[in-house]
Amino acid sequence: DSGVTQTPKHLITATGQRVTLRCSPRSGDLSVYWYQQSLDQGLQFLIQYYNGEERAKGNILERFSAQQFPDLHSELNLSSLELGDSALYFCASSSGSGVGQPQHFGDGTRLSIL
Amino acid sequence: QKEVEQDPGPLSVPEGAIVSLNCTYSNSAFQYFMWYRQYSRKGPELLMYTYSSGNKEDGRFTAQVDKSSKYISLFIRDSQPSDSATYLCAMGSTYTGNQFYFGTGTSLTVIP
Repeated sequence: DSGVTQTPKHLITATGQRVTLRCSPRSGDLSVYWYQQSLDQGLQFLIQYYNGEERAKGNILERFSAQQFPDLHSELNLSSLELGDSALYFCASSSGSGVGQPQHFGDGTRLSIL
Repeated sequence: QKEVEQDPGPLSVPEGAIVSLNCTYSNSAFQYFMWYRQYSRKGPELLMYTYSSGNKEDGRFTAQVDKSSKYISLFIRDSQPSDSATYLCAMGSTYTGNQFYFGTGTSLTVIP
């Protein structure tokens, strides 16, 4: 058990809808990273928050947004969903703000768009 | 060209074999290197975390970094059926932003 908790485990929804994925980092970790994993793309970095502030942005679509709350949990919001958004979404946490500390992953949310 | 290249396999070995998993990369600035193991329907599990060149050993696992060749390896000794999983490499640098770049993973099966 990595200590990173993601909910829900599965989400099934339709095109055009909006969903929210939730992540609770390991105790003491201040950074939260969001990744998308699809079969053909591997793990794609979306966005990082550190202690409530956005710190780095990767290949995140404008339809996607995230935030980190004062209790350090984070939410990833996906809107106007398309079939191609079906993927595994992972959250990872680390103690610091940069690459000097390893990242620990949750078990992901599997999003299926019908 | 991708930042990190990893042979997807699949790789199949008999129980007890030594397994060698490899990644190559293009950015010479990378300083931090990680290996993850991912079982089906689970999140990546951190196996090894290393900085710069050299070797690091942890039980049956050895991580090796050759920065001059831009090549990293993970060796698994006395492989077990429970090692059957997908192995991901990842790397990053303080000079390239706060993100790690991941390989696409190598699928390993250890046959009893």
